[in-house]
Amino acid sequence: QVQLQESGPGLVKPSQTLSLTCSVSGGSISSGDFLWSWIRQPPGKGLEWIGHIYYSENTYYNPSLKSRVTISIETSKSQFSLKLSSVTAADSAVYYCARVGATLPLLDSWGQGTLVTVSS
Amino acid sequence: NFMLTQPHSVSESPGKTVTISCTRSSGSIASNYVQWYQQRPGSSPTIVIYEDNQRPFGVPDRFSGSIDSSFNSASLTISGLKTEDEGDYHCQSYDSNNVVFGGGTKLTVL
Repeated sequence: QVQLQESGPGLVKPSQTLSLTCSVSGGSISSGDFLWSWIRQPPGKGLEWIGHIYYSENTYYNPSLKSRVTISIETSKSQFSLKLSSVTAADSAVYYCARVGATLPLLDSWGQGTLVTVSS
Repeated sequence: NFMLTQPHSVSESPGKTVTISCTRSSGSIASNYVQWYQQRPGSSPTIVIYEDNQRPFGVPDRFSGSIDSSFNSASLTISGLKTEDEGDYHCQSYDSNNVVFGGGTKLTVL
């Protein structure tokens, strides 16, 4: 059973860059059957897909966030990462990493989520 | 890109049946499969329906999904409601390489 775990700072200052890492265990991050995704959920609100990455480093981003997002992958460490630049209070949310099917984009395994607050 | 619209909240009594809708704003609902996720308070989402109407192993048959092209919407129906079904339910679909979520529906079982 694959497991995902987010890590990174819980507090980021406005205008700075949010950086999170997702560690994958119990399954291969290099499998061609899956992509690796970031999703966020502001307090009391719905889920928002941020983007995902394939083991080959092909990336796909939400058009509304594309100008500020970078997702990268380190297969040797079984990790993938999120960078979101120029953050504001509106970027405060629980950030989840998840595994996505490559042929059918369903998110079958999720991390527990990590709360990131943007505040000075 | 399209949007998926869900009601903010629904409530029903234990033992009853509730249906949550998910309406696609543009393009056909039948063009891309719809998934449904359950999110209990304080927990991560878990999938309860995939490919419009398929249940993952371990999800009780009280959960069912369907699509209605005439309303361009998908629906999640939960029968024999239990208090443990309380939580948020999110529909999800996709287009090209984009994943789209609905706004989520809070289910209260009272």
